[in-house]
Amino acid sequence: QKEVEQNSGPLSVPEGAIASLNCTYSDRVSQSFFWYRQYSGKSPELIMSIYSNGDKEDGRFTAQLNKASQYVSLLIRDSQPSDSATYLCAVLFGNEKLTFGTGTRLTIIP
Amino acid sequence: NAGVMQNPRHLVRRRGQEARLRCSPMKGHSHVYWYRQLPEEGLKFMVYLQKENIIDESGMPKERFSAEFPKEGPSILRIQQVVRGDSAAYFCASSPQPGLAGETQYFGPGTRLLVL
Repeated sequence: QKEVEQNSGPLSVPEGAIASLNCTYSDRVSQSFFWYRQYSGKSPELIMSIYSNGDKEDGRFTAQLNKASQYVSLLIRDSQPSDSATYLCAVLFGNEKLTFGTGTRLTIIP
Repeated sequence: NAGVMQNPRHLVRRRGQEARLRCSPMKGHSHVYWYRQLPEEGLKFMVYLQKENIIDESGMPKERFSAEFPKEGPSILRIQQVVRGDSAAYFCASSPQPGLAGETQYFGPGTRLLVL
């Protein structure tokens, strides 16, 4: 059974601090990994994609991938209240089907 | 460049009625995916379609649910004889090609189905 696991939270972080979101997955052959942000009542919005081991930075967001440990994370620097949302980790298995974690609810405290 | 379009955005049905959800992929995208999100739960894959073909329907319930993506027009997710447990948000996503690194699925705004 291919699975993607996330800590459901909620995770509370003070404004301006670093928020760290973690995700593990169960299938070694997965090659594509994504972080989506979903505001309440809205659709998922792509934040980051990562395909190679290491770090990938885009503005305040950094995705980290460790395939040996089957672990992918998302760091949000200088957290803002507008970052409060549910963050979904998704893994592309078999080149066709995105499998999502249940999401981590993040709250940035002003 | 219009994104993924879904309609209706909200749909109310009584038990036993049919629900038809429509999805138009982004321009240039020929691959459509349907996902269901139950309240307070994650997104679950339902079906993956290309034009006129169902590629993977492993996530779709065997009864009452069907999907199509005709040569012309939007993709349709059809739910017959709806029950209260079908109440959920149904999201459509599209991509230009499946699986290649860098080819991402982009989501539509979703259809919120409420079964009374």
